[in-house]
Amino acid sequence: DTEVTQTPKHLVMGMTNKKSLKCEQHMGHRAMYWYKQKAKKPPELMFVYSYEKLSINESVPSRFSPECPNSSLLNLHLHALQPEDSALYLCASSQGDLLIETQYFGPGTRLLVL
Amino acid sequence: SQQGEEDPQALSIQEGENATMNCSYKTSINNLQWYRQNSGRGLVHLILIRSNEREKHSGRLRVTLDTSKKSSSLLITASRAADTASYFCATDMRIQGAQKLVFGQGTRLTINP
Repeated sequence: DTEVTQTPKHLVMGMTNKKSLKCEQHMGHRAMYWYKQKAKKPPELMFVYSYEKLSINESVPSRFSPECPNSSLLNLHLHALQPEDSALYLCASSQGDLLIETQYFGPGTRLLVL
Repeated sequence: SQQGEEDPQALSIQEGENATMNCSYKTSINNLQWYRQNSGRGLVHLILIRSNEREKHSGRLRVTLDTSKKSSSLLITASRAADTASYFCATDMRIQGAQKLVFGQGTRLTINP
């Protein structure tokens, strides 16, 4: 299984809502990533989990809260988002213990904040 | 910023022609990767070239790397309509044992039938 799955595919939420994005992989990868991508822009790294511990937080606002319950799952909890947070949110994974790594991406969750 | 810059931003060619995309970056790298993204979808890894390599092939793809100029190019030969996508180069760095990929701005490639 070389797939990274993400749910939901689409999400519309109000600025007062709380929602969560989910990501799952069963490749035995130990590093998982959240990216944010605006239209016609490259993905921008948000968070990296390595061996279930948060390794990188790219100064992301606290309204985004990542969680890694186990090595196969990665969540992104959303609260009090702003309309400018509307974007494609991509999850990725990599083996995690190699010097040179390929990342495997999920199809993304398209988020619209009203 | 280590972010790569790509040119052209957009490229439109006829099916069967070759497509060349270029990527430049600012700092020393361990390796450089190319990814493809179909519209609104996730990224797919295409090819990785290490800093001590100058050229690499994979099927219809050819990647070159010139570390002295801090640049790379991706050549797609005999293009097909299915090659229509955005192509991103990505350089990497290790922070606290974790890998951070920094993507270029991307080239939007359109193959006209």
